[in-house]
Amino acid sequence: SQQGEEDPQALSIQEGENATMNCSYKTSINNLQWYRQNSGRGLVHLILIRSNEREKHSGRLRVTLDTSKKSSSLLITASRAADTASYFCATVVWYSSASKIIFGSGTRLSIRP
Amino acid sequence: NAGVTQTPKFQVLKTGQSMTLQCAQDMNHNSMYWYRQDPGMGLRLIYYSASEGTTDKGEVPNGYNVSRLNKREFSLRLESAAPSQTSVYFCASREGTGNNQPQHFGDGTRLSIL
Repeated sequence: SQQGEEDPQALSIQEGENATMNCSYKTSINNLQWYRQNSGRGLVHLILIRSNEREKHSGRLRVTLDTSKKSSSLLITASRAADTASYFCATVVWYSSASKIIFGSGTRLSIRP
Repeated sequence: NAGVTQTPKFQVLKTGQSMTLQCAQDMNHNSMYWYRQDPGMGLRLIYYSASEGTTDKGEVPNGYNVSRLNKREFSLRLESAAPSQTSVYFCASREGTGNNQPQHFGDGTRLSIL
């Protein structure tokens, strides 16, 4: 089963509006990461938030983390057409002898012009 | 700086055929990974290599084998392809296996098994 689950599965908003995506996870984490995937491309790392952090900003991105609720949110402010993509949260888990990143099923974000 | 390069980009196979997917990274990363991405399932880890000379199974290893040829290259082999292996396959690399290191992805191989 997936470690992280994003909500909603799909989101369509008007250009200029803010987009919020949520992620819930199951086990304790060291950090949580967000990735973006444009259609037909691989995933690109956006931002990482450590378990002892509650909020982090990077440009138009704002990530929050609530470890008590095992949840995180990604806010994209002033959305643009180029933000149309799928967004995945990912958590680090230990598997055998090394840590690996486990991905959720993603949120498909569409920005309407 | 090409990052992570996957070949081929597209492939169609018949059931029972074999194939090797190639992956190479030029970032001197120690760890490399193979995922498959299916609709509604996100990415699932097939195999990984924490360092040159080591490989380990991920969540869905059945039907696949891997080879860490050298530090740069990590290949994924389907010995006898099945329709259930129709998917998009992504290779990724990380500098190490530390908790705070992001993964870098290739653009994927779209594989169809008829």
